[in-house]
This record gives sequence, structure tokens and C-alpha cells, in this order.
Amino acid sequence: QKEVEQDPGPLSVPEGAIVSLNCTYSNSAFQYFMWYRQYSRKGPELLMYTYSSGNKEDGRFTAQVDKSSKYISLFIRDSQPSDSATYLCAISGAGSYQLTFGKGTKLSVIP
Amino acid sequence: DTGVSQNPRHKITKRGQNVTFRCDPISEHNRLYWYRQTLGQGPEFLTYFQNEAQLEKSRLLSDRFSAERPKGSFSTLEIQRTEQGDSAMYLCASSPDRGFTEAFFGQGTRLTVV
Repeated sequence: QKEVEQDPGPLSVPEGAIVSLNCTYSNSAFQYFMWYRQYSRKGPELLMYTYSSGNKEDGRFTAQVDKSSKYISLFIRDSQPSDSATYLCAISGAGSYQLTFGKGTKLSVIP
Repeated sequence: DTGVSQNPRHKITKRGQNVTFRCDPISEHNRLYWYRQTLGQGPEFLTYFQNEAQLEKSRLLSDRFSAERPKGSFSTLEIQRTEQGDSAMYLCASSPDRGFTEAFFGQGTRLTVV
């Protein structure tokens, strides 16, 4: 079993829809959770990070972590065509310097 | 531009040649990372520097790979005797010296070995 599992999609939604992106992880030692957005042929861009169970909101984006289920989510409200990108979850453990990434989910928001 | 800068953006090389990539991190960031990303995959960790000290290396970093960060500023990643399997996007990231890894990535160097 991979340390981080993420459905690669592709996921296609109409503009204005609520998008739900998810990752599961296997190692309970992971403590820090991040979401990155990556446009085609560009480097990943940090969207949000959190280190506790619960929700964290930033504008149209909400990150949710459930440590008991080892499940993390990113919700995008009122999705826009400019949100079309690959979304990567990334996780690290206490005292670790490296991020473990999921494969990424490719999202297309159709006008 | 105060972000992470990588050069070159693209590199095409013949199999067996050596290549070197450069990364200039965000100026106040002590930590610097190299990752490799192949098509359809997430980035995979290669190595980590705290200032000029290389503190961690992935098993992905074979003997043909070497990274340096002289004086704790910019970093270089060299691949010797390139192979077709080295074709990938090489990403550099930097982060502040905090308890968690909040890394900011550069645009990457796309390597194609022919």
C-alpha cells in the first residue's frame, strides 16, 4: 500500500460546482497536511496547510483533515475555469523534512 | 521576483552526457529541497539541505546524482552519465526554518534525455 493514495481523475465539473478532492494515507505518524495546485508544466503552488483534525477555510477553499480515518479533503466552492489544474495532496511527519505527495487529481472546470 | 528560481527551464541532452541544474531559493529560507516529478505522478523527494549541510538523501538519488549548496545560498543538482529514465521535471523548493514543511516550489527544470 502506498503511503498516500489519491484518485488521479480526471474530474470534470461545470463552473460554479462544489468540488471535493480527497486523499487517504496509511501512516498515523503523519502530522502535517498540505494541498498544492499545479498548472500544466509549472511547479506546484502551495494552497493550504494544516496540522490538526478539523476544517480550515481560505476564501473558496476548505481543507478538512480526519486523522482517525486518515483521510484529507479539499473542497472548492463556486469553482471557476481558472481552477482547472492538478491538485496534489502532500503530507509530512513530525521531524521529517520531506513531503510525501499523492499522484494528483486533474480537475477541469467547464464554463 | 522573490520566488524560487530554477535554471534552465528546459534541457535536452544525449544519453551519457552530464547535466547540471541550478536553484536559487527564497532569500530568507534556510531549507532547500530537490524533488523529481515524472508524468502523471506527484513529486518524489530527492534530497534536503539545511543551510549548506545536506541532511537527507532519498534512495532515489543514485551515485550518478550529486547536489551541493555552497555557502547555504543557491544549490546545484548534477546528473552524470544521464540515462533515458532520468527524463523528468526536477523541482526545487525552499521553506523557512519552522517545525513543519511549508515548501514553496520553483517552476522546475524539465530534462529530456534522448
